[in-house]
Amino acid sequence: GAVVSQHPSRVICKSGTSVKIECRSLDFQATTMFWYRQFPKQSLMLMATSNEGSKATYEQGVEKDKFLINHASLTLSTLTVTSAHPEDSSFYICSARDHSGDEQFFGPGTRLTVL
Amino acid sequence: QKEVEQDPGPLSVPEGAIVSLNCTYSNSAFQYFMWYRQYSRKGPELLMYTYSSGNKEDGRFTAQVDKSSKYISLFIRDSQPSDSATYLCAMSAMGSASKIIFGSGTRLSIRP
Repeated sequence: GAVVSQHPSRVICKSGTSVKIECRSLDFQATTMFWYRQFPKQSLMLMATSNEGSKATYEQGVEKDKFLINHASLTLSTLTVTSAHPEDSSFYICSARDHSGDEQFFGPGTRLTVL
Repeated sequence: QKEVEQDPGPLSVPEGAIVSLNCTYSNSAFQYFMWYRQYSRKGPELLMYTYSSGNKEDGRFTAQVDKSSKYISLFIRDSQPSDSATYLCAMSAMGSASKIIFGSGTRLSIRP
């Protein structure tokens, strides 16, 4: 199946700093990428949908100025958490979908801890 | 009311037992139904997907969809300790622009 990678897998940062997370589709072109957040023992909550070359669509309640998403190419999307706070600590997961189907392929996730 | 309801568990069964995991949904536009398995601190992995009502079998796993009742199930036969994980149901309407809506996940533990 298709492979999606994320980097880094784990990051610890100080409150007030910014953190960038990369999501790459390794063997297919992802016309659409999705960013999810998952708190412990909870389900995945969609944060935003990004299409290559256009602005991301954010879900209600997600601050677009805090969670900057860039989908610059068909294989790379980045999520930048700006001015991170401890409550931003979570598991961030991306997924990617190509133009042909409904299936989304998920990355392994990035665990963010803000001190 | 959530669009997708799933019992969070935890569910603990002995090795070899048949496991039944279930979800209900309220949005009749959902046409694409999926089950994901997620191990601790890992991303979700797609187990099965189906478009239609009825059963779909893949090895020890059977996915069942009843659109008239808005109810889906995943059955695991001959459960193994390696099946211990969180299982998330998910669904979406058809079309590339459709979002996937996840259930809250059921934590499953298979006792050796």
